[in-house]
Amino acid sequence: AQSVTQPDIHITVSEGASLELRCNYSYGATPYLFWYVQSPGQGLQLLLKYFSGDTLVQGIKGFEAEFKRSQSSFNLRKPSVHWSDAAEYFCAVAAGGGADGLTFGKGTHLIIQP
Amino acid sequence: EPEVTQTPSHQVTQMGQEVILRCVPISNHLYFYWYRQILGQKVEFLVSFYNNEISEKSEIFDDQFSVERPDGSNFTLKIRSTKLEDSAMYFCASGRDRGSAGELFFGEGSRLTVL
Repeated sequence: AQSVTQPDIHITVSEGASLELRCNYSYGATPYLFWYVQSPGQGLQLLLKYFSGDTLVQGIKGFEAEFKRSQSSFNLRKPSVHWSDAAEYFCAVAAGGGADGLTFGKGTHLIIQP
Repeated sequence: EPEVTQTPSHQVTQMGQEVILRCVPISNHLYFYWYRQILGQKVEFLVSFYNNEISEKSEIFDDQFSVERPDGSNFTLKIRSTKLEDSAMYFCASGRDRGSAGELFFGEGSRLTVL
């Protein structure tokens, strides 16, 4: 069965600084990988996804993520964070293209300092 | 922009009572899901639904739970006899088709509190 580890429960970053959120997955085959964001009181919104091809994927809101098979990682990055990026970020992995359910990590809570 | 809507946003119930959580998925979507998030924990898959039947369910989704799509627009989650540990945020999600591959659209959630 697949699993996802997000080692950082909380991360604090200054506004304008760069960001990297870590995600490691466990899955026997080529994974389908996703990053979702959950703002306070909101549902989950898809930031980006990786299926195949270019290992660097671009998402919405200026986010990108890089798939590294050798490290079983799919870290999320943003060159310059904004206060509105404060939210909970979830990495997820899916088998079967995702139609049979996503397995989420525990999430990383991002705090933005002024 | 089309969105997934869920009602109620918050429900408080007594242990042992039945609860129905309602969802209106995006109209041209074919795959429907329920997830839950216990406070402070990760989002967990409960069940997926396609073509008027369950396509996959997790270990959490036991006989206490059921889903149905009664009228072609609503997608409901019923919890027959609630327990304290059912207290959680329940998210409904929908996806266009298998090819959308994980691009699920989530509702804002229904918070269930069991006393």
